[in-house]
Amino acid sequence: EVQLVESGGGLVQPGGSLRLSCAGSGFTFSSYAMSWVRQAPGKGLEWVSGISGSGFTTYYADSVKGRFTISRDNSKNTLYLQMNSLRADDTAVYYCAGGDYGDLSWYFDLWGRGTLITVSS
Amino acid sequence: SYEFTQPPSVSVSPGQTASITCSGDKLRDKYACWYQQKPGQSPVLVMYQDTKRPSGIPERFSGSSSGSTATLTISGTQAMDEAGYYCQAWDSSTVVFGGGTKLTVL
Repeated sequence: EVQLVESGGGLVQPGGSLRLSCAGSGFTFSSYAMSWVRQAPGKGLEWVSGISGSGFTTYYADSVKGRFTISRDNSKNTLYLQMNSLRADDTAVYYCAGGDYGDLSWYFDLWGRGTLITVSS
Repeated sequence: SYEFTQPPSVSVSPGQTASITCSGDKLRDKYACWYQQKPGQSPVLVMYQDTKRPSGIPERFSGSSSGSTATLTISGTQAMDEAGYYCQAWDSSTVVFGGGTKLTVL
């Protein structure tokens, strides 16, 4: 069964740090470009960061650039998101998503169930 | 941050055709894709590269694109299609989502 399982969510104080993990199984993990997509309570989807299948190329939304770092360990079939300097507006469900990307498109056909991050004092 | 423009809500009667649009200049030369999201669930890809339907997605879902507008069409809409729908595209450095459309089947 193809699966993405996120972990590492929880409550953190403003200015704090957290690391999310996403374990993939049932597919060739290294063949998939991966991303983190978040959804604030009652709001729409917001892309956070992405990484190529090899891990050599990374991309970030302006809202998290300089604060978040995406990485992957293909030997462990795991995607990571290191989140520093967290703010209240980072509060959201964070989804791990995988798919195919190229010059003209990047779409996500695999999604995890999400993990909730709450930034509050 | 940049976001594609979608109508906040669309209503359709069962069995009728629903069309959801997504507008933005970046769609002129990039492919759009679409996700369906039901309450409390993760998004599901229902269309990619403008017109391609993933396996397992019913044939009543179709996609098109012209100029700066992509459209998701649901023919013979069923009650189970009631959900949020999001368009998305990639501009070679950033993934951009639309604001989402709530489809109501009534």
